[in-house]
Amino acid sequence: TQLLEQSPQFLSIQEGENLTVYCNSSSVFSSLQWYRQEPGEGPVLLVTVVTGGEVKKLKRLTFQFGDARKDSSLHITAAQPGDTGLYLCAGQLMTTDSWGKLQFGAGTQVVVTP
Amino acid sequence: DTGVSQDPRHKITKRGQNVTFRCDPISEHNRLYWYRQTLGQGPEFLTYFQNEAQLEKSRLLSDRFSAERPKGSFSTLEIQRTEQGDSAMYLCASLRDPPGANYGYTFGSGTRLTVV
Repeated sequence: TQLLEQSPQFLSIQEGENLTVYCNSSSVFSSLQWYRQEPGEGPVLLVTVVTGGEVKKLKRLTFQFGDARKDSSLHITAAQPGDTGLYLCAGQLMTTDSWGKLQFGAGTQVVVTP
Repeated sequence: DTGVSQDPRHKITKRGQNVTFRCDPISEHNRLYWYRQTLGQGPEFLTYFQNEAQLEKSRLLSDRFSAERPKGSFSTLEIQRTEQGDSAMYLCASLRDPPGANYGYTFGSGTRLTVV
């Protein structure tokens, strides 16, 4: 059982459309990170959010951390084919012995077609 | 910063054989993690090193798995008597301690293991 549930599992949209990916849990996290992974490669860090209610923007990507630090969302505006990839959320539990260990969601596969 | 390097990128082995993977982290990163990722899933934690000390091992890491990080530099992950269920992508990640403002793992490209 994964602590972080991502939805939807798969998203296919046309270039120029907007999309939102959700990451939910019943656990509280000290921080939450979003990664993008391409086939045959390791995940690449997009952003880290650490404060409840925090919103971070990275060009066309907007990340939000829930007030209760249990959930997060990723919104992409005017998606481009280069945004295609597996989006993974990962959280560090608020336990003293977590040692930077991350709990990953199963990912959302995003496909943006021209 | 040359990133995290993993070798080999791909490994095909027969069931019952032993395999060893290598990870070279970013030189100034003292934390090193191994994760395993199967198709359609996110990475799962296997083990963690702070410098040369192995501080935590997941229950996923059976007695057939062993990891080392001699001298706190590169790390190796060995799987003995491989089974088909070991087929997965094995990812190494490193992290600086203490982390910077936008901290997060730097992952390697992974080693794809196929056990036939």
